[in-house]
Amino acid sequence: AQSVTQPDIHITVSEGASLELRCNYSYGATPYLFWYVQSPGQGLQLLLKYFSGDTLVQGIKGFEAEFKRSQSSFNLRKPSVHWSDAAEYFCAVGDGSSNTGKLIFGQGTTLQVKP
Amino acid sequence: NAGVTQTPKFRVLKTGQSMTLLCAQDMNHEYMYWYRQDPGMGLRLIHYSVGEGTTAKGEVPDGYNVSRLKKQNFLLGLESAAPSQTSVYFCASSRNRLGPEAFFGQGTRLTVV
Repeated sequence: AQSVTQPDIHITVSEGASLELRCNYSYGATPYLFWYVQSPGQGLQLLLKYFSGDTLVQGIKGFEAEFKRSQSSFNLRKPSVHWSDAAEYFCAVGDGSSNTGKLIFGQGTTLQVKP
Repeated sequence: NAGVTQTPKFRVLKTGQSMTLLCAQDMNHEYMYWYRQDPGMGLRLIHYSVGEGTTAKGEVPDGYNVSRLKKQNFLLGLESAAPSQTSVYFCASSRNRLGPEAFFGQGTRLTVV
């Protein structure tokens, strides 16, 4: 069965420091991969996506993620975190071969930014 | 262009009451979804639809029903609410298989007492 694991429930980084949020997935074929961000009381906003091609993808707000097939990972990175990045981050995998667009989400990682 | 709009944003129900959550999208998307979000569990798919007049069960469908009579609307019904259905509900839509990124509404916070 498809699954997504975000090993870190909560991460705290200092403003200006670099960030890496981990995501591992279990999926048989080539998946569609996504990172979403959720600010308190808000819906989910798409940060970036990977369908195929270049394994390093750029997203909004200065985020990037790298697809590593051999490690079944899609980690999210940002070189310098801003206080406004404090939020909850979700990794999701979609079935690239289906006609449903269903997504499986990880449990989420809450990012706290220290001044 | 409002995107995905959910109504209502907050609701408190008594056990056994019924209600309908409305989702409307103005992006002409084929696919629509209802997810529930609970602490530490991410988002779980309740029901989904791949086109007008179609619905299908997701991961946690028990206690919910859905309808998609119009392409732009996707309704989620709770016939007899239970405390276990206290959650935040998110509606989402995506263009189709070739454009699978999902766009989310702002959520409905439902409390069942």
